[in-house]
Amino acid sequence: QVQLVQSGAEVKKPGASVKVSCKASGYTFANYHINWVRQATGQGPEWMGWMNPNSDNIGYAQKFQGRVTMTRNTSITTAYMELSSLRSEDTAVYYCATGNLWFDSWGQGTLVTVSS
Amino acid sequence: DIVMTQSPDSLAVSLGARATINCKSSQSVLYSSNNKNYLAWYQQKPGQPPKLLIYWASTRESGVPDRFSGSGSGTDFTLTISSLRAEDVAVYYCQQYYSGLTFGGGTKVEIK
Repeated sequence: QVQLVQSGAEVKKPGASVKVSCKASGYTFANYHINWVRQATGQGPEWMGWMNPNSDNIGYAQKFQGRVTMTRNTSITTAYMELSSLRSEDTAVYYCATGNLWFDSWGQGTLVTVSS
Repeated sequence: DIVMTQSPDSLAVSLGARATINCKSSQSVLYSSNNKNYLAWYQQKPGQPPKLLIYWASTRESGVPDRFSGSGSGTDFTLTISSLRAEDVAVYYCQQYYSGLTFGGGTKVEIK
């Protein structure tokens, strides 16, 4: 079965960067897009972007253009999301999720706290 | 961006009763060339990621109980839980994938 296991919680200062990993197993990594979605406490999810593990095709939501970078290492079936110039409003749980249009498998989430 | 607006924000329903959640998009998510509505529904329980329930507005994901159903077209959609069970207590979200990907603000379902 599809399993997505994310890295642990992070605490960062404003202006810093954070890099979250997402280890995929149970399926062919190249076959499904990996998306990143974040969710602040009490809010709806917010899509950040997608990546095709089988190519260099990547798409970022306009809100995050210039601040987010999505990469992958196919040899270890792991995707990464790096967010820079962190501010307090970036405090949220960050999820990776598979899917091209809807999201059918999700990681457990990584809490990123931005605080001085 | 397409804005998704859900109503109500929360509702309390008796066990065995029907729960109805509404979702409205700021523009149509019906793609005329294939007559499909680009809308999904998710369930999220505390401390868990969202779980996919429905896509194409009315197609249940494999393993989802048939008490969950989706309906609607264009800009107005509904998720119905026909007979509420205790394990259905959760927050429910709609998501459009017609243009970009955006979610609604959620509807919290509780037991009355």
